[in-house]
Amino acid sequence: DTAVSQTPKYLVTQMGNDKSIKCEQNLGHDTMYWYKQDSKKFLKIMFSYNNKELIINETVPNRFSPKSPDKAHLNLHINSLELGDSAVYFCASSPHRAGNTEAFFGQGTRLTVV
Amino acid sequence: DAKTTQPTSMDCAEGRAANLPCNHSTISGNEYVYWYRQIHSQGPQYIIHGLKNNETNEMASLIITEDRKSSTLILPHATLRDTAVYYCIVRVEAGGFKTIFGAGTRLFVKA
Repeated sequence: DTAVSQTPKYLVTQMGNDKSIKCEQNLGHDTMYWYKQDSKKFLKIMFSYNNKELIINETVPNRFSPKSPDKAHLNLHINSLELGDSAVYFCASSPHRAGNTEAFFGQGTRLTVV
Repeated sequence: DAKTTQPTSMDCAEGRAANLPCNHSTISGNEYVYWYRQIHSQGPQYIIHGLKNNETNEMASLIITEDRKSSTLILPHATLRDTAVYYCIVRVEAGGFKTIFGAGTRLFVKA
């Protein structure tokens, strides 16, 4: 079974649309994350939730809204999509938020806005 | 911004050791050094991490200098499947895995 799974793997949509990316982890971890990898390959954290509580919210447009219905799921909803939102989005989880734990990443969702 | 500096790319012959350097001169005392790699079109994969002491696992060894301002990831016997981008990152202690991945080192393992 896949530890951290994201759906869909590919998403092509038009500007102005609203879309969601789902993430689920079956590792029993407390903390989940969303990262954005841009065309320059930099991976930047967007959000982090710990036991359904938002703990990290980087400078991200408020068109991006994470939702964590339970600690095994962290979904990302994006409103009014723009061309610059095109990127690969990675979900990740870690056992807890402390500094000495590793994170497990999903396979990524490649979002293309046309 | 990323707090680490790595060479853009490196080559390594298959079967030889790959030594990937990383500078993290502004690291603070409670920050860990992590290494991840990303094989094309896949999510980042954890390799190893350490605080002060050298570490070894089934994938690699991590050598951290005494002043902790730099480290080296060693893949003892590189294979073609080790071709990937390797990220050296410094883990901020508080607030969760607030990690920023820089550009990394693109390692090419050649036959």
